[in-house]
Amino acid sequence: GAGVSQSPSNKVTEKGKDVELRCDPISGHTALYWYRQRLGQGLEFLIYFQGNSAPDKSGLPSDRFSAERTGESVSTLTIQRTQQEDSAVYLCASSWGGGEEKLFFGSGTQLSVL
Amino acid sequence: GENVEQHPSTLSVQEGDSAVIKCTYSDSASNYFPWYKQELGKGPQLIIDIRSNVGEKKDQRIAVTLNKTAKHFSLHITETQPEDSAVYFCAAVNNAGNMLTFGGGTRLMVKP
Repeated sequence: GAGVSQSPSNKVTEKGKDVELRCDPISGHTALYWYRQRLGQGLEFLIYFQGNSAPDKSGLPSDRFSAERTGESVSTLTIQRTQQEDSAVYLCASSWGGGEEKLFFGSGTQLSVL
Repeated sequence: GENVEQHPSTLSVQEGDSAVIKCTYSDSASNYFPWYKQELGKGPQLIIDIRSNVGEKKDQRIAVTLNKTAKHFSLHITETQPEDSAVYFCAAVNNAGNMLTFGGGTRLMVKP
């Protein structure tokens, strides 16, 4: 596809369930980022992948959050034992690599934990 | 690490007026400062950026200025239009040069 694709666009789950969010970056982009955006708030960094380097996980809020990326392709963000405070839009972005490259964002996954 | 502060958090202007959004950053080694626009229900999109070797950059009705000594940079939108209504985020690259740190965002409302 031409842009960053995220799925699902909306996810409603019950408290305590696990969820998996998917991001398909632009082909060839070596860098991939996950951000969380609570309603009306800014972009909260979660995790950053760059090529084959170890990911920067410094933004993950708890050990319930994890993310994987297969090579330079698809990434999945997993939230285990979801809590109501996990409700937010989860945004994925990709770039050619490095912080000075333009980030291309997906439209996000709206997660609602009931 | 880098810390980026953005003001104001909300801004309401009349169509045709100018809008200014200001950001400050903490890491004097930061050298790349992009601005992103987020429309309702969409991901942010890059609208303009500036590097530390220039003090100002313009693109039609949008301009960005950078003061490295004071560690602040600003977005200026002239002749605002209703379609400029969105949330705007400033950002700075951290000292490792591999990741953006975003400001808290400014919700701009342009009243017709």
